[in-house]
Amino acid sequence: RKEVEQDPGPFNVPEGATVAFNCTYSNSASQSFFWYRQDCRKEPKLLMSVYSSGNEDGRFTAQLNRASQYISLLIRDSKLSDSATYLCVVNPGNDYKLSFGAGTTVTVRA
Amino acid sequence: ETGVTQTPRHLVMGMTNKKSLKCEQHLGHNAMYWYKQSAKKPLELMFVYSLEERVENNSVPSRFSPECPNSSHLFLHLHTLQPEDSALYLCASSQDLGGRSQPQHFGDGTRLSIL
Repeated sequence: RKEVEQDPGPFNVPEGATVAFNCTYSNSASQSFFWYRQDCRKEPKLLMSVYSSGNEDGRFTAQLNRASQYISLLIRDSKLSDSATYLCVVNPGNDYKLSFGAGTTVTVRA
Repeated sequence: ETGVTQTPRHLVMGMTNKKSLKCEQHLGHNAMYWYKQSAKKPLELMFVYSLEERVENNSVPSRFSPECPNSSHLFLHLHTLQPEDSALYLCASSQDLGGRSQPQHFGDGTRLSIL
């Protein structure tokens, strides 16, 4: 079983729509969780950390479900500029080793 | 503008060539990383340095040789690479090796193609 699994998509949504997707992780002792955004042929950029109580940053909402071992990302009022691949990143322990998902591709169309 | 810069952005080389990838971070971080990203696959950690000392060598073939002369610079020396080494090579940095709640910041990568 992969350490971090994501639905590769693509999720094709119209502008203004809401899109949500999950990421599952295998190590129940995982400590930290992040969502990164990666545009085509560019570097991953930190979108947001995911906190136990859930957190929101503008149109983006992240949730953590420890019991079911998944995190989610919800994008409200999608913009064309939200088109990207979203990487789920999990820190299984209390060190520098991060486990990366292969990414979920979101395409927002006009 | 990224706090982590990588050069070159693109590199095409033959299997017998020797080349080097360079990474520089302007964030005052103490830890630096090399990752490999192949198409549609998760990032794979290759090497980790903390305060110029290598702390991770993740079963990477010896044709990849890292060098960290100081905490701001990281190199990846390449020689006799194979076609399967074609990928995006990403450098990252973090404040320390603490990890927990400490995100890594990535450079824009070198896209490497082996002929």
